Amino acid sequence: KAGVTQTPRYLIKTRGQQVTLSCSPISGHRSVSWYQQTPGQGLQFLFEYFSETQRNKGNFPGRFSGRQFSNSRSEMNVSTLELGDSALYLCASTETSVTYEQYFGPGTRLTVT
Amino acid sequence: AQSVTQLDSQVPVFEEAPVELRCNYSSSVSVYLFWYVQYPNQGLQLLLKYLSGSTLVESINGFEAEFNKSQTSFHLRKPSVHISDTAEYFCAVSDQAGTYKYIFGTGTRLKVLA
Repeated sequence: KAGVTQTPRYLIKTRGQQVTLSCSPISGHRSVSWYQQTPGQGLQFLFEYFSETQRNKGNFPGRFSGRQFSNSRSEMNVSTLELGDSALYLCASTETSVTYEQYFGPGTRLTVT
Repeated sequence: AQSVTQLDSQVPVFEEAPVELRCNYSSSVSVYLFWYVQYPNQGLQLLLKYLSGSTLVESINGFEAEFNKSQTSFHLRKPSVHISDTAEYFCAVSDQAGTYKYIFGTGTRLKVLA
């Protein structure tokens, strides 16, 4: 099976702009989670989607939002970008059975200037 | 809410020497525990996990971790490291058993020296 794919891999945006990141989970995986990774804060959970519904949410401002489509693909959106949003954004998919194994994509490196 | 502590930010070790990467978590309630490895410019790869049952879990590449409920620890060990083990290692805990919201530690950078 193909792994988790994320597009784009690299992105440069300006403060105040908005950005949309995409994640395609492993075929058959219905849960998609998003994490932000920065040198200062480490890996922080953003949100998790299952069957097009947000099931869990981390402690991020409302500028961060996401959605999931019927084919399990997910997007996350960040509006009104700030310099502090520069990070590696990782998507992970999970086959909703008893394994609880999250498979991560390579990430999207977002740089805000 | 759960928290995870990885006390060592960097661990240098010579090739073929043993290594232990420490991980402590905050809650005594039922949790699921994981170790992930991240190589430069890559995403995270699952190394091993503890859900229930035997407290000693092993990975296919020689790593093992032991779940210690009384000490709320899940330390990662390898008896003999290789240069290729150089990477960053993250310990993670499920925020609640049964959810996919994982809380990660700050990571330990393992550097294997020749």
